[in-house]
Amino acid sequence: RKEVEQDPGPFNVPEGATVAFNCTYSNSASQSFFWYRQDCRKEPKLLMSVYSSGNEDGRFTAQLNRASQYISLLIRDSKLSDSATYLCAVIRTASKLTFGTGTRLQVTL
Amino acid sequence: GAVVSQHPSWVICKSGTSVKIECRSLDFQATTMFWYRQFPKQSLMLMATSNEGSKATYEQGVEKDKFLINHASLTLSTLTVTSAHPEDSSFYICSARAQGRGLHYGYTFGSGTRLTVV
Repeated sequence: RKEVEQDPGPFNVPEGATVAFNCTYSNSASQSFFWYRQDCRKEPKLLMSVYSSGNEDGRFTAQLNRASQYISLLIRDSKLSDSATYLCAVIRTASKLTFGTGTRLQVTL
Repeated sequence: GAVVSQHPSWVICKSGTSVKIECRSLDFQATTMFWYRQFPKQSLMLMATSNEGSKATYEQGVEKDKFLINHASLTLSTLTVTSAHPEDSSFYICSARAQGRGLHYGYTFGSGTRLTVV
């Protein structure tokens, strides 16, 4: 079983839609959790850290469920510019950041 | 803050030659940097952890003699792909976290190096 798993998608949604991504991690000792955004042929950029209390940044809301070992990302009012691959990542040991396979989002007119 | 510069952005080399990729933290010190590789339509796979002043630690299945890592200062780590072969063609990315910064800040990535071996 992979350490971090995501549905690869693609998710094709119209502009203005709300879309949710889930990610599961296998090791309960994981310490820190993140969502990164990666555009085609570019480096990943940190979108937000994820906390058990949930956190929101504009149209983006992230949630961590430690009991079930999953992380979610909700994007409201999707924009064309949101089209990208969304990677969930966890830090387990030795500060190593491990990524999921990524979920591709395509927002259309 | 927390900018990581990676060079070159892309390189084409002949099979059998070696290629060096540099990763610099521009505005912070990084005792640890990480090297990832990403094949098309796949996720980033951690190759090794680069430790300033000591040997790098490699992930299982990554050949340390083929991927030489040097972290001679707090702001520079280099990855040398030795005797490159076409199957080494990939997107190589480095990352670092500012020393003293909490884990919840995540890691900053270089812009990546696209290596093509012909």
